[in-house]
Amino acid sequence: NAGVMQNPRHLVRRRGQEARLRCSPMKGHSHVYWYRQLPEEGLKFMVYLQKENIIDESGMPKERFSAEFPKEGPSILRIQQVVRGDSAAYFCASSPERQGGTDTQYFGPGTRLTVL
Amino acid sequence: RKEVEQDPGPFNVPEGATVAFNCTYSNSASQSFFWYRQDCRKEPKLLMSVYSSGNEDGRFTAQLNRASQYISLLIRDSKLSDSATYLCVVHILTGGGNKLTFGTGTQLKVEL
Repeated sequence: NAGVMQNPRHLVRRRGQEARLRCSPMKGHSHVYWYRQLPEEGLKFMVYLQKENIIDESGMPKERFSAEFPKEGPSILRIQQVVRGDSAAYFCASSPERQGGTDTQYFGPGTRLTVL
Repeated sequence: RKEVEQDPGPFNVPEGATVAFNCTYSNSASQSFFWYRQDCRKEPKLLMSVYSSGNEDGRFTAQLNRASQYISLLIRDSKLSDSATYLCVVHILTGGGNKLTFGTGTQLKVEL
């Protein structure tokens, strides 16, 4: 059973370009979460999605960032017009349908975005 | 005030030592608590959940004090392979949310 998959693992962009980060949850998982880890900082929640729905985007910057989890295919985190401050590790996590309040989230290996 | 606070360390300990990490959280509505481990430049991995009654998994013991909003992790007989950053994680269940809030982590270095 493959774990959470993310690609690319490393992404380099120049300022002003777009970055697309992909996440495939574990088999059987229908909940996806995106977190960002800036250098020397802890992970910060960005967005929580279920298939075709954004449930909680309270951690998403108001501009340039968007996320989706279509009916078919991986979840996508999209960053438009990247700036140097977007350089970070972006982790995706997934969890199964919540049963009895169990909320274990399993993390993917992350995408390291570098903005030149 | 940060939602989850941890001493960043680093804690440098000899192999075989016992080491304890502490964590405090600010939101009394927090419902679930975890310790994750993160190795350098890798993804966080669940180490253990934390229950009010305290729980043990081999050399690792976790404790939760809801009244003080305090969580601890004790590692006995430290191994070189225990060197990592230990993340205190809190989950708050909201109407639509299911997010984890992470502390910045405590770095442990186990030395020969």
